[in-house]
Amino acid sequence: ETGVTQTPRHLVMGMTNKKSLKCEQHLGHNAMYWYKQSAKKPLELMFVYNFKEQTENNSVPSRFSPECPNSSHLFLHLHTLQPEDSALYLCASSQDLGFSYNEQFFGPGTRLTVL
Amino acid sequence: DAKTTQPTSMDCAEGRAANLPCNHSTISGNEYVYWYRQIHSQGPQYIIHGLKNNETNEMASLIITEDRKSSTLILPHATLRDTAVYYCIVRPVYSGAGSYQLTFGKGTKLSVIP
Repeated sequence: ETGVTQTPRHLVMGMTNKKSLKCEQHLGHNAMYWYKQSAKKPLELMFVYNFKEQTENNSVPSRFSPECPNSSHLFLHLHTLQPEDSALYLCASSQDLGFSYNEQFFGPGTRLTVL
Repeated sequence: DAKTTQPTSMDCAEGRAANLPCNHSTISGNEYVYWYRQIHSQGPQYIIHGLKNNETNEMASLIITEDRKSSTLILPHATLRDTAVYYCIVRPVYSGAGSYQLTFGKGTKLSVIP
């Protein structure tokens, strides 16, 4: 139990569906991250938020839309996904961004399958 | 592009110490050594990190050589739950935009055997 929870744990969706992934951290951290992990690419950073503000978007397609209403919650809204978007989506948090010794704590991930 | 090399796999008997080596011969003076692990179908889990001194926490010990070109992660009494892929990575001391990504290599698959 890392203090970072993600729901749902598994999601199957069609290419025309709209769904959202939810992440919540109970650690009092200020920074939150979305990662994608697939067999082809081990770990890809998608978005970074610090104090609710997006600080990094690593050229993620617009069919992925993040939302960070407060420092404890992070969402990833999904629409018109492609089968190649099937992967494990991981949320992480860290105390801050300013010092790299702020280790990232990961949630269990959402296993997404796009049909 | 990972800057570390690790053995592909290792076995360890349950209850014995697991010693996982990592080479990071190109590490610079302003980079930490971090260890994470990932149990099958779960998110990565932070274990420990260090700069140049040896470190110990409730999970493991980290031994860094004096020249900092290699390190060893020690799980003192391995259990079946420690079966996972272990990743050794280097990260800059001073982070900034573009440095938040955790770049895992292939890691070491540790199998703890009953």
